[in-house]
Amino acid sequence: DAGVTQSPTHLIKTRGQQVTLRCSPKSGHDTVSWYQQALGQGPQFIFQYYEEEERQRGNFPDRFSGHQFPNYSSELNVNALLLGDSALYLCASSPGVSSYNEQFFGPGTRLTVL
Amino acid sequence: AQKVTQAQTEISVVEKEDVTLDCVYETRDTTYYLFWYKQPPSGELVFLIRRNSFDEQNEISGRYSWNFQKSTSSFNFTITASQVVDSAVYFCALSEADPPGSSNTGKLIFGQGTTLQVKP
Repeated sequence: DAGVTQSPTHLIKTRGQQVTLRCSPKSGHDTVSWYQQALGQGPQFIFQYYEEEERQRGNFPDRFSGHQFPNYSSELNVNALLLGDSALYLCASSPGVSSYNEQFFGPGTRLTVL
Repeated sequence: AQKVTQAQTEISVVEKEDVTLDCVYETRDTTYYLFWYKQPPSGELVFLIRRNSFDEQNEISGRYSWNFQKSTSSFNFTITASQVVDSAVYFCALSEADPPGSSNTGKLIFGQGTTLQVKP
């Protein structure tokens, strides 16, 4: 049973560029959340997708957008990259949107903005 | 506002020592959930435990134990007889309950993390 998978593993971009990160949830999970983890910090919630809709959003600018597909996989898009966007981006999946549900995390995508 | 504080940035112990990682949280909700996750160098967060706000029983799982005290808003994690493989960053997280109609959908609020180094 595959867990949460993310691609790519690493990515290097320059300021002003756009990036798309991808996530496939654990089998049987329909809810995907994205987190940003800066070096030495705890993960920060970006947004959550359920039934192909953004259900909740953290304190991130509109440059961060996402999408969920009918097969529950998800993409995170970041436009006009800034140096401060350099971080580990974590995807988490869960079986539904309840706060009770354990979220399973993927290995992350390490984004470096030069 | 919801907040999780892990005051210990780094802890270093020698193998077989016991170690306690502290977690203090803030929430105005009466129903919420607390979690501990482990993040090894590979980066993937590994779920360790979930506790709801109505269950203050301490829990033990092998060498791991958790002490939840609502009176002090703390949810501390103890590793007994630590091993080198326990070396990782440990995160405490808070999630508030979602009543019907609420937009609260399981967002996790993480602390800053505690880096545990267990030396042989």
